[in-house]
Amino acid sequence: NAGVTQTPKFQVLKTGQSMTLQCAQDMNHEYMSWYRQDPGMGLRLIHYSVGAGITDQGEVPNGYNVSRSTTEDFPLRLLSAAPSQTSVYFCASSWIAGDSYGYTFGSGTRLTVV
Amino acid sequence: GEDVEQSLFLSVREGDSSVINCTYTDSSSTYLYWYKQEPGAGLQLLTYIFSNMDMKQDQRLTVLLNKKDKHLSLRIADTQTGDSAIYFCAESPGAGSYQLTFGKGTKLSVIP
Repeated sequence: NAGVTQTPKFQVLKTGQSMTLQCAQDMNHEYMSWYRQDPGMGLRLIHYSVGAGITDQGEVPNGYNVSRSTTEDFPLRLLSAAPSQTSVYFCASSWIAGDSYGYTFGSGTRLTVV
Repeated sequence: GEDVEQSLFLSVREGDSSVINCTYTDSSSTYLYWYKQEPGAGLQLLTYIFSNMDMKQDQRLTVLLNKKDKHLSLRIADTQTGDSAIYFCAESPGAGSYQLTFGKGTKLSVIP
């Protein structure tokens, strides 16, 4: 049981390049989300998904696309990287059932756009 | 929209108690969480509390919730150097919404 796995751990992009940050979970969680963490800003929600085939925008969605073709995978795509997208990206998955819940974060992807 | 506020820094001596405070604005918050982030690492869930509770204790951790004032605190007893990290408060409306709103984090420094 690996939990939430993010790849790559580090990435450097040139402005205008595109790339996909991978996120996979093996806990059969319905809900998955992507956050970005910037100094002094805390974590901000980019996109989320409540199940396969369903995605929605969070607080800061511009410049990012997501898809959810399977329960396990929730990739985040940067369409045309900009220096403002330099950040640490965290993927998370969760479920809530009655008074029990689970919320697990991946270890993060550190992205630098030059 | 929802807002979660925390002080940015806290410094304590090893062995003392640490108290990290958080305020939130969303009166519909149902779940309130404390996460710990060590340097270069992801977020680790420390504990959580439901809005119908006033207090929750888990070993060295005590969470107090004042729902009237929308104030949440995390007390760490007998603080150790390994407790040095950034602590995030987060809230969620709960059932029907899995989204978390995070504070900016409190950096706890433990002085040996």
